[in-house]
Amino acid sequence: EAGVTQFPSHSVIEKGQTVTLRCDPISGHDNLYWYRRVMGKEIKFLLHFVKESKQDESGMPNNRFLAERTGGTYSTLKVQPAELEDSGVYFCASSEQVGDGYTFGSGTRLTVV
Amino acid sequence: QKEVEQNSGPLSVPEGAIASLNCTYSDRGSQSFFWYRQYSGKSPELIMFIYSNGDKEDGRFTAQLNKASQYVSLLIRDSQPSDSATYLCAVSSGGYNKLIFGAGTRLAVHP
Repeated sequence: EAGVTQFPSHSVIEKGQTVTLRCDPISGHDNLYWYRRVMGKEIKFLLHFVKESKQDESGMPNNRFLAERTGGTYSTLKVQPAELEDSGVYFCASSEQVGDGYTFGSGTRLTVV
Repeated sequence: QKEVEQNSGPLSVPEGAIASLNCTYSDRGSQSFFWYRQYSGKSPELIMFIYSNGDKEDGRFTAQLNKASQYVSLLIRDSQPSDSATYLCAVSSGGYNKLIFGAGTRLAVHP
């Protein structure tokens, strides 16, 4: 069984640019989550999809962040325009049922300079 | 007060000893509790989950939950150098769909 795949693994962009992160969950997992870890802080929840619907986006920091999940399959997280404080590791995770432990992807390390 | 608190460590134990990792949480409504292991530069890996008060054992790992004290712990028996990692405690919030993570405890198992 393929795991959760994230692309790219690293991204370095300039302040003001746009970056799009992609996540492919485990096949059959309706629940997809985005989390991020900024330097020195805990991993923080961003949002939760159930299939293509946003179940909870309470963790999204501001309207510069836009997440989509087309057709309930892969998801993208776009940051536009990127700011310095957006630097960190963005993790995607998926689960079959809500309440299950997640399987995390390997993360995308975003550096905004 | 943080929502999920862990001692940052490092917790240093000799090979073969029992490592005890602790976590407290603030939300009395939390129902699900998870322990993740994270090696440096890698993604978190689920190793244990517990929903009910008491102990849950899986191989060398035992999770312990005390909801009255808002306390969850992870015991690792016969610790191995390969167990050296950061252990993250995570607690469900808002109806199961999201997890609140602690900052993690670094465990170092020395030969």
